[in-house]
Amino acid sequence: NAGVMQNPRHLVRRRGQEARLRCSPVKGHSHVYWYRQLPEEGLKFMVYLQKENIIDESGMPKERFSAEFPKEGPSILRIQQVVRGDSAAYFCASSPRGPPGGYTFGSGTRLTVV
Amino acid sequence: AQKVTQAQTEISVVEKEDVTLDCVYETRDTTYYLFWYKQPPSGELVFLIRRNSFDEQNEISGRYSWNFQKSTSSFNFTITASQVVDSAVYFCALKEDPGTASKLTFGTGTRLQVTL
Repeated sequence: NAGVMQNPRHLVRRRGQEARLRCSPVKGHSHVYWYRQLPEEGLKFMVYLQKENIIDESGMPKERFSAEFPKEGPSILRIQQVVRGDSAAYFCASSPRGPPGGYTFGSGTRLTVV
Repeated sequence: AQKVTQAQTEISVVEKEDVTLDCVYETRDTTYYLFWYKQPPSGELVFLIRRNSFDEQNEISGRYSWNFQKSTSSFNFTITASQVVDSAVYFCALKEDPGTASKLTFGTGTRLQVTL
């Protein structure tokens, strides 16, 4: 499968726990993007990363959320001390280096905070 | 700042009807890309089309067609002879700064319900 792989597909966390969402981009893609989709809403940009660098984090909540894309391994979106309002679908997309940047989306991780 | 508006929240049609989903965008860039994605009930995002702002030719792909009107900043999507399998949420999206990789700005989506 040459697509973007996200895991887990579904994640249940109790309030106060940490959630870790993983995204393996398409082989050869060096750009990763995270989007959040709240119930019945569109996708909202969170963060854009290249290997070992955060390029644009203008959509990330200031607290509890962090993202990384290490030199080796998948990109990780980490949510600390989750609250009910964090329940959403989190999508990862990747694109190759340079313009025009075709995007491939993963199937998403559905986070439920109970 | 960029913005994408999909004014139709929900549309219901009977199978075999034609349906048009509207998309209006705002951008200060002269070059940009527009996209349509489909999100079926299973939840994944399915890429449908990408359009460069310099290319105003309308495109047809089977029962799908897209009408790009730069003068009205619209990129509408028409499904001809709709089918039940077309039932999904459809998102329009905009990408500025085509010279670099950058984020997509999505509209809020239009939920299409096709019934028998």
